[in-house]
Amino acid sequence: GEDVEQSLFLSVREGDSSVINCTYTDSSSTYLYWYKQEPGAGLQLLTYIFSNMDMKQDQRLTVLLNKKDKHLSLRIADTQTGDSAIYFCAENLGYSTLTFGKGTMLLVSP
Amino acid sequence: EAQVTQNPRYLITVTGKKLTVTCSQNMNHEYMSWYRQDPGLGLRQIYYSMNVEVTDKGDVPEGYKVSRKEKRNFPLILESPSPNQTSLYFCASSRESGANVLTFGAGSRLTVL
Repeated sequence: GEDVEQSLFLSVREGDSSVINCTYTDSSSTYLYWYKQEPGAGLQLLTYIFSNMDMKQDQRLTVLLNKKDKHLSLRIADTQTGDSAIYFCAENLGYSTLTFGKGTMLLVSP
Repeated sequence: EAQVTQNPRYLITVTGKKLTVTCSQNMNHEYMSWYRQDPGLGLRQIYYSMNVEVTDKGDVPEGYKVSRKEKRNFPLILESPSPNQTSLYFCASSRESGANVLTFGAGSRLTVL
C-alpha cells in the first residue's frame, strides 16, 4: 500500500530556514499533523492543519498544504540548535487513527 | 498535569517471559493506541481502542494483546516475548472530536534477549 513519505535527513545552519516535505496518501484525510520527537522523548504535537486550509502560520512555523499533489510541508524560520529533532508528518484517515511517515531527522549546526 | 504515563520506561527481559507495559491517561480521552518505533520503519500502530471494552488491531498486532477495562488504562501485554519485539513503544490518547490530537507517553524501551 501507499505510505506517508518524508525525506529522512535534513541539515541546516543555525539562523537558516528549514523546510521539511511530506507526501500523504489519502485525499480524504481531514487533518494533517506535524509532530516533533526530541532524543529520548515521546512525540509532541507541533501543529496541525485542517484539510480545507492551504496554509497555517504559528510563530516560526509555517505549514503549507497542496491537496492536489497531496503534499504537506513544514517551514521553520530562523532555525535554532534546539530545533534539532526528528519531525513526523501524519495524516488522519478517520477518527483518531493516524498514519505516520518514517520521520525526518533535522540537524542544526552552529 | 494532563499526561499519558507509561511503565516501565526501560525493561530488559528474556524470550518467553510474559510482560505487561502499563499505560494510563488522566484526560478522560476516549481513544487510546499503542505504537512501536523501529529504526527505518517509523511508527507503526499495534492496537487501538475507541472506548471501554472496544479494541481493534492496528498494522502490526501479532504477538501482542491489549485490554480496555477502564477508560484511563490501556495495558499492552506480550504473552511470550521474542527478540523481534525489541523496540521502543509509545502509548497515545486523544479525544474523539475536533482535530483528534494524539498525546503521547514518554515511551518504553523494551529489549528481549
